Amino acid sequence: TQLLEQSPQFLSIQEGENLTVYCNSSSVFSSLQWYRQEPGEGPVLLVTVVTGGEVKKLKRLTFQFGDARKDSSLHITAAQPGDTGLYLCAGDSTKAAGNKLTFGGGTRVLVKP
Amino acid sequence: NAGVTQTPKFRVLKTGQSMTLLCAQDMNHEYMYWYRQDPGMGLRLIHYSVGEGTTAKGEVPDGYNVSRLKKQNFLLGLESAAPSQTSVYFCASNPGTSGGEQYFGPGTRLTVT
Repeated sequence: TQLLEQSPQFLSIQEGENLTVYCNSSSVFSSLQWYRQEPGEGPVLLVTVVTGGEVKKLKRLTFQFGDARKDSSLHITAAQPGDTGLYLCAGDSTKAAGNKLTFGGGTRVLVKP
Repeated sequence: NAGVTQTPKFRVLKTGQSMTLLCAQDMNHEYMYWYRQDPGMGLRLIHYSVGEGTTAKGEVPDGYNVSRLKKQNFLLGLESAAPSQTSVYFCASNPGTSGGEQYFGPGTRLTVT
């Protein structure tokens, strides 16, 4: 069974501060996706990283895929209240039928104004 | 384009009652999924389908049944609800090509008393 562990589980910061969320596994994934979920809604895809060592930027969000494709991180620079939400990482294995994803437990981020 | 829709949004059941959750997608996606989301546990896959008339078990299938009689609809049934099935249920779809984003519905909050 493939597992993805996210840390921390909860993060509360002031507006303008930086934060990093980690997603770790002992398994190799063909790609890793990051989703954000707001209260009362379903998760929405932010980014997919595919190549080991890849770095992708989405405005103030920076996503990195580990060289061995077992881990990933999400860094938010100068966080804003609009960044508040539940961040989920999800791994896609080439061996998984039906494009099944393995989800981490999530990191709940609260950005206070 | 409504994307992925779920009905109902909320439901309260008594132990032993049955119900069906309906998921519909208008994106002509091949693959569909049912997840449950519990605090700190991310999303866990209940059942999934890789096409009309096909279903398969996910990580936590016990106590649930599914059917995919039409490509656009994926039904999740609880034959005899238990308090352990209190959760938020999400449906998702995927085009069916290799890898790729999953598109989620808004969720159904189910409470079993």
